[in-house]
Amino acid sequence: DSGVTQTPKHLITATGQRVTLRCSPRSGDLSVYWYQQSLDQGLQFLIQYYNGEERAKGNILERFSAQQFPDLHSELNLSSLELGDSALYFCASSPQPTSVETQYFGPGTRLLVL
Amino acid sequence: GESVGLHLPTLSVQEGDNSIINCAYSNSASDYFIWYKQESGKGPQFIIDIRSNMDKRQGQRVTVLLNKTVKHLSLQIAATQPGDSAVYFCAENGYGGSQGNLIFGKGTKLSVKP
Repeated sequence: DSGVTQTPKHLITATGQRVTLRCSPRSGDLSVYWYQQSLDQGLQFLIQYYNGEERAKGNILERFSAQQFPDLHSELNLSSLELGDSALYFCASSPQPTSVETQYFGPGTRLLVL
Repeated sequence: GESVGLHLPTLSVQEGDNSIINCAYSNSASDYFIWYKQESGKGPQFIIDIRSNMDKRQGQRVTVLLNKTVKHLSLQIAATQPGDSAVYFCAENGYGGSQGNLIFGKGTKLSVKP
């Protein structure tokens, strides 16, 4: 158990809908990362937050947004969902925002868009 | 089991043998590398990391070798066990520490025969 929690574990929804994925980082970690894992793209970085502020952006679609709250939990919002958004979404956390620290991953949320 | 990528390289070994998983990384500015293990239905689990000022690092039953000249990383698992069966990913930080996100390789599926 990495100490990172994610809810829900599974999510099934329809095209055009909006969903929110939630992540709680490990105790003491200030930085949160979101990754998408799909069959054809592997693990892709979406966005990073550090202590409530956006730190870095990767290949995140404009339909997707995220935020980190004062209690450090983070939410990833996916809207106008398309079939191609079906994937595993992982949250990871680390104590600081730099890239020379280990990131610990949560169990993921499996999203299926029908 | 969980499948990442349509053409995931597969390594099949006998229980008790040593395994070597290879990875070519892309960015010569990367100065931090991590190996993750992902079991079916779970998030990536940290195995071992190495910084670019080292060429070898050992953990419990695992060794990571780094060859910066040819941008190559390998993970050696000693006395491979059935519980080692999983997909293994190498990751690099890609930006020399200026950003926190990781860049993941496509993964290698390790299958251990009892």
